[in-house]
Amino acid sequence: LAKTTQPISMDSYEGQEVNITCSHNNIATNDYITWYQQFPSQGPRFIIQGYKTKVTNEVASLFIPADRKSSTLSLPRVSLSDTAVYYCLVGGPSNDYKLSFGAGTTVTVRA
Amino acid sequence: DAGITQSPRYKITETGRQVTLMCHQTWSHSYMFWYRQDLGHGLRLIYYSAAADITDKGEVPDGYVVSRSKTENFPLTLESATRSQTSVYFCASSESTTNSPLHFGNGTRLTVT
Repeated sequence: LAKTTQPISMDSYEGQEVNITCSHNNIATNDYITWYQQFPSQGPRFIIQGYKTKVTNEVASLFIPADRKSSTLSLPRVSLSDTAVYYCLVGGPSNDYKLSFGAGTTVTVRA
Repeated sequence: DAGITQSPRYKITETGRQVTLMCHQTWSHSYMFWYRQDLGHGLRLIYYSAAADITDKGEVPDGYVVSRSKTENFPLTLESATRSQTSVYFCASSESTTNSPLHFGNGTRLTVT
């Protein structure tokens, strides 16, 4: 089971770019990397998913180096509403898709 | 409205009682999941189901029972509730396990006294 490590918390200010790095040293060949966002009193919400190189959508970018042992979620120009917990998950056939979320990274955006 | 709904939103029960948490999804997703969320532990997988009548254990299945007689419903039963099962429970669904995103409900906050 690919274990992930990410910072417990990060602080930022409105308008800045936030980069959260997740380590997953034992990622398997067929595993994908997925990030979720969770607000208080809500279930997690899918943000972005990737396998290698770079993926971008309207919310975030995901950078994955060639060795795939880490990944970085980039949130451009954050606002107060981006304050949330962000989870990095690694999964696929290697863990029979049984995804468990770690403690995540609490991102606090200040005015 | 399409989506995934959990009920009840809040539940207080006593130790030793049986309680069932309901989960209903309208997408006809094949896969459904139950997670619990506790401070310091993130979300941990309790059970999951690949299709109707197919279920499998996750990381923390002890003390829980699931069933899936219909694709759209995936109830979670605590057969004899304990205080350690006080938690927030989230249900999720996905089209398939082939890296499809999970779609979560808004959770049930369960307190066992």
